[in-house]
Amino acid sequence: GENVEQHPSTLSVQEGDSAVIKCTYSDSASNYFPWYKQELGKRPQLIIDIRSNVGEKKDQRIAVTLNKTAKHFSLHITETQPEDSAVYFCAASIRGTTDSWGKLQFGAGTQVVVTP
Amino acid sequence: GAGVSQSPRYKVAKRGQDVALRCDPISGHVSLFWYQQALGQGPEFLTYFQNEAQLDKSGLPSDRFFAERPEGSVSTLKIQRTQQEDSAVYLCASSRSQGEFVGELFFGEGSRLTVL
Repeated sequence: GENVEQHPSTLSVQEGDSAVIKCTYSDSASNYFPWYKQELGKRPQLIIDIRSNVGEKKDQRIAVTLNKTAKHFSLHITETQPEDSAVYFCAASIRGTTDSWGKLQFGAGTQVVVTP
Repeated sequence: GAGVSQSPRYKVAKRGQDVALRCDPISGHVSLFWYQQALGQGPEFLTYFQNEAQLDKSGLPSDRFFAERPEGSVSTLKIQRTQQEDSAVYLCASSRSQGEFVGELFFGEGSRLTVL
């Protein structure tokens, strides 16, 4: 099955700096890669996602890049703000078949701390 | 409703007790998922429903775990004879999408189960 590895496990950045989180996946059939943000005691919330037919996607201060050949994808947060402090999870799944739809395999998470 | 609702938010059970966790998905959402999130880890897939049909239960850790969604709306995750290793947050997620369409998963706040 799919295995997703996420690094680093913790990331401390100064406000205004950039943060980068990297994930690798094992199953070359994976074709959907969402990123979720989870604040302490709260629900995971989708912040950005990318499909395998796209190499990069950007939404304001957040961008995701995908390298299918190397089987890794990364989250980039620019101009970080204190409210960006949370745990970020990458995930991978194979879309397009009923029996595996939405079966997201999550990474272990990255605790991001943005200090003012 | 406005979002995915789960109850109870917190449950303390003595080892050996049975528990039932409820999920109210967003109205009209076809797909429903249960995930288990251990402390400091990413969510792990448990099971998937499309309407009332349970299409994938490969993530259920043992036959003590049972999930149902009899009318294609509310779902219940039941854990029989709870063990300490069952302690975790159980997350429910729903999506209006099914099949090949890539859709966002909306998570509930989770039910935190502590087994003593």
